[in-house]
Amino acid sequence: GDSVTQMEGPVTLSEEAFLTINCTYTATGYPSLFWYVQYPGEGLQLLLKATKADDKGSNKGFEATYRKETTSFHLEKGSVQVSDSAVYFCARGGNNDMRFGAGTRLTVKP
Amino acid sequence: DAGVTQSPTHLIKTRGQHVTLRCSPISGHKSVSWYQQVLGQGPQFIFQYYEKEERGRGNFPDRFSARQFPNYSSELNVNALLLGDSALYLCASSLGAKYDGYTFGSGTRLTVV
Repeated sequence: GDSVTQMEGPVTLSEEAFLTINCTYTATGYPSLFWYVQYPGEGLQLLLKATKADDKGSNKGFEATYRKETTSFHLEKGSVQVSDSAVYFCARGGNNDMRFGAGTRLTVKP
Repeated sequence: DAGVTQSPTHLIKTRGQHVTLRCSPISGHKSVSWYQQVLGQGPQFIFQYYEKEERGRGNFPDRFSARQFPNYSSELNVNALLLGDSALYLCASSLGAKYDGYTFGSGTRLTVV
């Protein structure tokens, strides 16, 4: 069935390092794709999204490009900050539900 | 404007008991979805309601039920609680039935002992 697979964590980086979190999906058709972020003790916040192939979602320095050829939506940031420490979830939309990956915990050290 | 509000924030129940979780969507949002997030995993879809009708159901047992009220708020009910039901229960609201952007609440942390 449809699923979302994302890079296993945890990921630990130093401040100002480059971040990539891989995400691939399987789905019928071309679903909308999303990245959500979850800070400790909180719910999920939408970070960025892309609704069609070759779209690039961006927010707060994070970017992800919808690649239908590789069914991927990898999250990138050129220079991470300590405040980016959180759990990141890749997700794909559907008619009645949204499917999430297992999450990748990012820790950024000063 | 208030976001998605959930109550209670934390709850401890005993095996076999029943629990009701509540969610108020963003004003104007007509769709409410419920997700279960077990520690260390991604959220799993439980239900979607739109205009007071169930529009989708995930792979959860019949012990789980929900409803949506005329003001679009929603309740999630779980009967005969099991230890494995311990999780963060997230409510998300959106404008329409078809996914077009969820806003999540902060969740209810349920612990079954």
